Amino acid sequence: DAGITQSPRYKITETGRQVTLMCHQTWSHSYMFWYRQDLGHGLRLIYYSAAADITDKGEVSDGYVVSRSKTENFPLTLESATRSQTSVYFCASSESFNNSPLHFGNGTRLTVT
Amino acid sequence: TQLLEQSPQFLSIQEGENLTVYCNSSSVFSSLQWYRQEPGEGPVLLVTVVTGGEVKKLKRLTFQFGDARKDSSLHITAAQPGDTGLYLCAGAHAGGATNKLIFGTGTLLAVQP
Repeated sequence: DAGITQSPRYKITETGRQVTLMCHQTWSHSYMFWYRQDLGHGLRLIYYSAAADITDKGEVSDGYVVSRSKTENFPLTLESATRSQTSVYFCASSESFNNSPLHFGNGTRLTVT
Repeated sequence: TQLLEQSPQFLSIQEGENLTVYCNSSSVFSSLQWYRQEPGEGPVLLVTVVTGGEVKKLKRLTFQFGDARKDSSLHITAAQPGDTGLYLCAGAHAGGATNKLIFGTGTLLAVQP
């Protein structure tokens, strides 16, 4: 089915471990985004990508790394997880860059112990 | 950090009641989007407003963009249990660039049957 899929849905990891969250979209949208959602903060942009091999930092990028070797995939890696990175992570895509709706996945709930 | 303040943060009402959710900022936005998020899912776009004073209707939902493009409101008439969810506003700067979206902290609405 067309859409945006995130995996895993739930992940528990330990402090200091590397963890990768996956995001796959079937719309061939150029733009992809990673947000984290925390109580009291709303959604905050971690990284975004305008096309394959083009990525840029968002508001809260420290401690995260992304890649985009293919248009449809946009994995997010936490290089050395910290408790402050416990959050719900959402991947999103959009067709264009201005006033374009974001299409979100169903999120990954990450707990760092 | 520019903020979008939403009020109220929580709202619990009975089916059939009317309600208004507010989204306020000291910043001027080129456009503003409203999303609804249900538990365990990502946000879904409801509407985008781009012109100061603009009013858009989506069935029982009425969205208004402030004349100065610093605030917006969402009014729901005769709320139904299916309206339950987290309502998020998101303002865009710089010509509506999606990477410049600032999300509000959300209003959690519960409509009791």
